[in-house]
Amino acid sequence: NAGVTQTPKFQVLKTGQSMTLQCAQDMNHEYMSWYRQDPGMGLRLIHYSVGAGITDQGEVPNGYNVSRSTTEDFPLRLLSAAPSQTSVYFCASLRGYTGELFFGEGSRLTVL
Amino acid sequence: AQSVTQLDSQVPVFEEAPVELRCNYSSSVSVYLFWYVQYPNQGLQLLLKYLSGSTLVKGINGFEAEFNKSQTSFHLRKPSVHISDTAEYFCAVSGTASKLTFGTGTRLQVTL
Repeated sequence: NAGVTQTPKFQVLKTGQSMTLQCAQDMNHEYMSWYRQDPGMGLRLIHYSVGAGITDQGEVPNGYNVSRSTTEDFPLRLLSAAPSQTSVYFCASLRGYTGELFFGEGSRLTVL
Repeated sequence: AQSVTQLDSQVPVFEEAPVELRCNYSSSVSVYLFWYVQYPNQGLQLLLKYLSGSTLVKGINGFEAEFNKSQTSFHLRKPSVHISDTAEYFCAVSGTASKLTFGTGTRLQVTL
């Protein structure tokens, strides 16, 4: 059982480049989300989705785009990368309404 | 709106000593409370949760937490820590058991 799979694990971008962080889960969870983790700031919610075709903004959505065409996949797009987007990104899915989030291993992004 | 405060960014402790990691929250609605643990270079995993019922919640690896509504606290405790407990611990709150707000984290460093 793979759980939540994120790719790539590491990425270096130049300012202005775009890229997509991939996230897939095999647990048939309706709710999926993206967080960014920065030192001293904990995890901040970027975007989330409560099901295929439905997405919404979290706490820090600017500069990011998401879509949810299937239950399994929830990609995060950086439209024009900026150094402030240097961070570790986590994708997570939620089991029912129990509050238990299942996290991927993270994607470490550096923007030069 | 809801928020979480973890007062201690780092907690050093000797092996086999007890430990308490503090968490205070604010919320205008009924809350669900969680503790997640993050081992180095990994995603977060659920340690324990309070949804309703008994205010003393037991989790994995011998950890427990007590929900105190009057003090708006959800402190995490373990009577005797092990080297393998070295990790970062995040308290989180939600009004809906889905959209979680995380604290900034407490790094527990266990030494011999």
